Amino acid sequence: QVQLVQSGAEEKKPGASLKVSCKTSGHNFVGYYIHWVRQAPGQGLEWMGWIDPNSGAPDYAPNFQGRFTMTWDTSTTTAYMELNRLTSDDTAMYYCVREDDYFDAFDIWGQGTMVTVSS
Amino acid sequence: DIVMTQTPRSSPVILGQPASISCKSSQSLVHSDGNTYLSWLHQRPGQPPRLLLYKISNRFLGVPDRFSGSGAGTDFTLKISRVEAEDVGIYYCMQPLQSPYTFGQGTKLEIK
Repeated sequence: QVQLVQSGAEEKKPGASLKVSCKTSGHNFVGYYIHWVRQAPGQGLEWMGWIDPNSGAPDYAPNFQGRFTMTWDTSTTTAYMELNRLTSDDTAMYYCVREDDYFDAFDIWGQGTMVTVSS
Repeated sequence: DIVMTQTPRSSPVILGQPASISCKSSQSLVHSDGNTYLSWLHQRPGQPPRLLLYKISNRFLGVPDRFSGSGAGTDFTLKISRVEAEDVGIYYCMQPLQSPYTFGQGTKLEIK
């Protein structure tokens, strides 16, 4: 069974950095991408970017260019996202998501990591 | 960026009755491979979204057949033939055609 299990909730101060992990299991992840999507409280979904686990190549949404980094650890099949220079606007639930190249859709979602940025 | 616009934003429905949600994209979602890259997601309160339909009308694994999708190019529709209590929540269309991937604003389905 394919699973994406994310790290736990975080509380951060403005200006700090955030790192969230997404442990994948149940699949070899050939032909898949890992995306990051966030959702502010009571708001809709916002795409942040994707990474190809096979090449490590990322694609970042313009809104996050320069302060957002995605990485992939092949040895542990874990994806990471790092967001710098946090503000209160970054308070959100962060999801890692698998995109399958058969469905060409977001078929498996992590449980989410709640991040609160407050002074 | 491709803008996805959903209507209505809220849809009160009676159990057992049909429901319909529209999604329009600012540009065609047809890929050079001939497929149209339009998905529908459903999010229940307190849960992550889950995939309902991909490439307009294909039901994902385990999705009941009361859910159907239609449309082409830039205009798409999600239909629920007979709404059940478990269908409440927010429905999103999204385009995985080109970066940046974008979502509709969401349509809240609630029981009247």
